[in-house]
Amino acid sequence: AQKVTQAQTEISVVEKEDVTLDCVYETRDTTYYLFWYKQPPSGELVFLIRRNSFDEQNEISGRYSWNFQKSTSSFNFTITASQVVDSAVYFCALKLPGGSYIPTFGRGTSLIVHP
Amino acid sequence: DAGVTQSPTHLIKTRGQQVTLRCSPKSGHDTVSWYQQALGQGPQFIFQYYEEEERQRGNFPDRFSGHQFPNYSSELNVNALLLGDSALYLCASSPGFSSYEQYFGPGTRLTVT
Repeated sequence: AQKVTQAQTEISVVEKEDVTLDCVYETRDTTYYLFWYKQPPSGELVFLIRRNSFDEQNEISGRYSWNFQKSTSSFNFTITASQVVDSAVYFCALKLPGGSYIPTFGRGTSLIVHP
Repeated sequence: DAGVTQSPTHLIKTRGQQVTLRCSPKSGHDTVSWYQQALGQGPQFIFQYYEEEERQRGNFPDRFSGHQFPNYSSELNVNALLLGDSALYLCASSPGFSSYEQYFGPGTRLTVT
């Protein structure tokens, strides 16, 4: 069985601070996909990134960056110079390849960015 | 290009009633999945429809049922509503049964009183 743990329930920062959201996953499979989603107050889950288990390269997209470390089963997400618009709930998820596998989501981390 | 749409946006029902939620997938997508997201929790997979058949099911009772139509749109039905069914119900569509891509709709907020 797969498991995704987001230990941080809520994080509060002031605008322009850097913030890292932690994600730890468990799976016995060697091939899997990891995802981050953003859920603003409107409710819709917005896809941010996908990583497959064979690609450990870190990725940067503007103020967002992701650190994937298989050795520690972690896929952490960092927002640099946070902005009020970053306030949302962020979910980490894991899925095995193929249609017969169900995605597993973490419980989410609520990020509040104060002006 | 319209994304995933869901209706209604909000719904209030009484315990014991039945409810139907609707989802239209993103254009070109043929697979629809439904999730239940309780307050403060991550989405929990309910089931997935492809070619008008339920292909995968999460740990939900038979009170939860669904349907997919030839145009790929889908319905989620919940019978004998319980207070614990109050949640945000999310629909996600994918371009194929095996695809890892999922595009989510804005959800339907169901409140059971």
